[in-house]
Amino acid sequence: KAGVTQTPRYLIKTRGQQVTLSCSPISGHRSVSWYQQTPGQGLQFLFEYFSETQRNKGNFPGRFSGRQFSNSRSEMNVSTLELGDSALYLCASSLGQDDSPLHFGNGTRLTVT
Amino acid sequence: EDQVTQSPEALRLQEGESSSLNCSYTVSGLRGLFWYRQDPGKGPEFLFTLYSAGEEKEKERLKATLTKKESFLHITAPKPEDSATYLCAVRTSGSRLTFGEGTQLTVNP
Repeated sequence: KAGVTQTPRYLIKTRGQQVTLSCSPISGHRSVSWYQQTPGQGLQFLFEYFSETQRNKGNFPGRFSGRQFSNSRSEMNVSTLELGDSALYLCASSLGQDDSPLHFGNGTRLTVT
Repeated sequence: EDQVTQSPEALRLQEGESSSLNCSYTVSGLRGLFWYRQDPGKGPEFLFTLYSAGEEKEKERLKATLTKKESFLHITAPKPEDSATYLCAVRTSGSRLTFGEGTQLTVNP
């Protein structure tokens, strides 16, 4: 079974630009969640989508947004990039039930200059 | 606010030297405690889920246990390939996990 696939693996953007990251979940998984990982803050929850609806949201500014498509694939968008947005962005998928573990992709490394 | 604290931050072991990693947590309603392993440049790899105090799970050289306030990841006779960062996380709703900072484990041959 294929794992969670994230594209692209690396991105370099300039302050003020916007970026879109993509995530393809494990087949059959309906929940997709996004996390930001930085050396100082560790892994922090951004948001979760389940059946195309945002089910949960973390404490990030409105510049961070996402969506989920009918095939469960998800995209995350960050607008007006800031230097502090440089991080590893991880996508995780699960069946969406309480006893379902999250399975992570290898992330997109975003560098903002 | 949910909190997860892992200790130690870093641990160096000799091959075959058993030890334990600690994860202390404070949550309003635990709906699962997770252990992940993360290798450099990769996403976290799922290891275990524990749900209730007294529960234990094992996989190869790893054994995870859970009490009402903390979880331990015991590593028995580790090998160099066990070197990684081990992350602990708690779930309180949906797919929202609160992670600890991790323990960076190095096993020397």
